[in-house]
Amino acid sequence: DIQMTQSPSSLSASVGDRVTITCRASQTVRGYLNWYQQKPGEAPKVLIYATSSLQTGVPSRFSGNGSGTDFTLTISSLQPEDFATYYCQQSYRTPLVTFGQGTKVEIK
Amino acid sequence: QVQLVQSGAEVKKPGASVVVSCKASGYTFANFAISWVRQAPGQGLEWVGWISTYNGKTDYAQKLQGRVTMTTDTSTTTAYMELRSLTSDDTAVYFCARNYGSHSWFDPWGQGTLVTVSS
Repeated sequence: DIQMTQSPSSLSASVGDRVTITCRASQTVRGYLNWYQQKPGEAPKVLIYATSSLQTGVPSRFSGNGSGTDFTLTISSLQPEDFATYYCQQSYRTPLVTFGQGTKVEIK
Repeated sequence: QVQLVQSGAEVKKPGASVVVSCKASGYTFANFAISWVRQAPGQGLEWVGWISTYNGKTDYAQKLQGRVTMTTDTSTTTAYMELRSLTSDDTAVYFCARNYGSHSWFDPWGQGTLVTVSS
């Protein structure tokens, strides 16, 4: 299985901050890397698919980048509604997908 | 709108089985596979398995092989996940999700079904 490692596991940030989350795969996933946001008590929601494509309806302050084994999710200006847990997911080996362990973004 | 609605919470004893359903609406059911993902309390997301709604082909997480079965009923556009020989380690919220795209991302997700295994 392809292992996905996110860093950091958690971070504290203020409204308006620029936040970057990193995801590293144990082997290449080419560009098949997706990002999800999950709020407490809710199902995850896709933000970015295929490394950098913004899902319809997702604010443009979210962006994704990377290739091969190293990927990033960036929030350009953190908003109150962005405090949540973020997961990366490789879908290179679809249907056998794997998720990162999650990054919890908390209010400073 | 595209929607997946799951069955309600379940409480089961160790050794029992559970069936969770996932009713799809708002799109052509047979055109998109369904994946199942679980999340233990306070933990991350774990892929459980996948079923093609077109031909019923399945693929399961290795650690659950032999205990999990996924099926679909195209007449009711419903997917099912059965998990047998439950232990406390199976306590989790189980989500279904539509596979979208050739190298699928998951969109949308069902609301989740809490399965609690307790004696």
